[in-house]
Amino acid sequence: AQSVTQLDSHVSVSEGTPVLLRCNYSSSYSPSLFWYVQHPNKGLQLLLKYTSAATLVKGINGFEAEFKKSETSFHLTKPSAHMSDAAEYFCVVRTNAGGTSYGKLTFGQGTILTVHP
Amino acid sequence: GAGVSQSPSNKVTEKGKDVELRCDPISGHTALYWYRQSLGQGLEFLIYFQGNSAPDKSGLPSDRFSAERTGGSVSTLTIQRTQQEDSAVYLCASSLPDGMAATQYFGPGTRLLVL
Repeated sequence: AQSVTQLDSHVSVSEGTPVLLRCNYSSSYSPSLFWYVQHPNKGLQLLLKYTSAATLVKGINGFEAEFKKSETSFHLTKPSAHMSDAAEYFCVVRTNAGGTSYGKLTFGQGTILTVHP
Repeated sequence: GAGVSQSPSNKVTEKGKDVELRCDPISGHTALYWYRQSLGQGLEFLIYFQGNSAPDKSGLPSDRFSAERTGGSVSTLTIQRTQQEDSAVYLCASSLPDGMAATQYFGPGTRLLVL
């Protein structure tokens, strides 16, 4: 079984300050991990993904995430928030379970990021 | 090329009516997924297609829900005898021939409201 916990339902930052969105996962097998972003009334857009290569993953719009197996974490960070970053962010896990290669995604509950001027 | 498209973008229906939701995946994407996004449940998996077959239907919430895919392309999600708890945004995603690294690309969703 696999699961994802996003530790904060809401995060509020000021423009120009760092962003940290926390995610912990549980997986019986080697996972692939993703962060997706959803702007209001828009579809889900992939920010970045980890698939067992480098543990520090860089994504679009200056976001990055670090896979830490010992902590079962995949936190999303950005050095300096921009107003356009305000959106809902989803941490997602996908597991290759015992030879099954297809990728059903399991989503966290989402973190709403608010950016203040 | 074009992304995943879904139609209609919004659908309002009366309790008890049937609805059909359509998904056009990205050309060449053989894997297709349906998800549902609702206030109480978050984002949850419904069904997965590889080509025209559905190896995993485990997320369909009841036998009122069904889906098919034809020609390895367009997929239709049908909800029969709709209930108010079916109100949600239904999202479709597609990906290249599947593997752990394959990225799922999502459509804009169909917002369903059952009155």
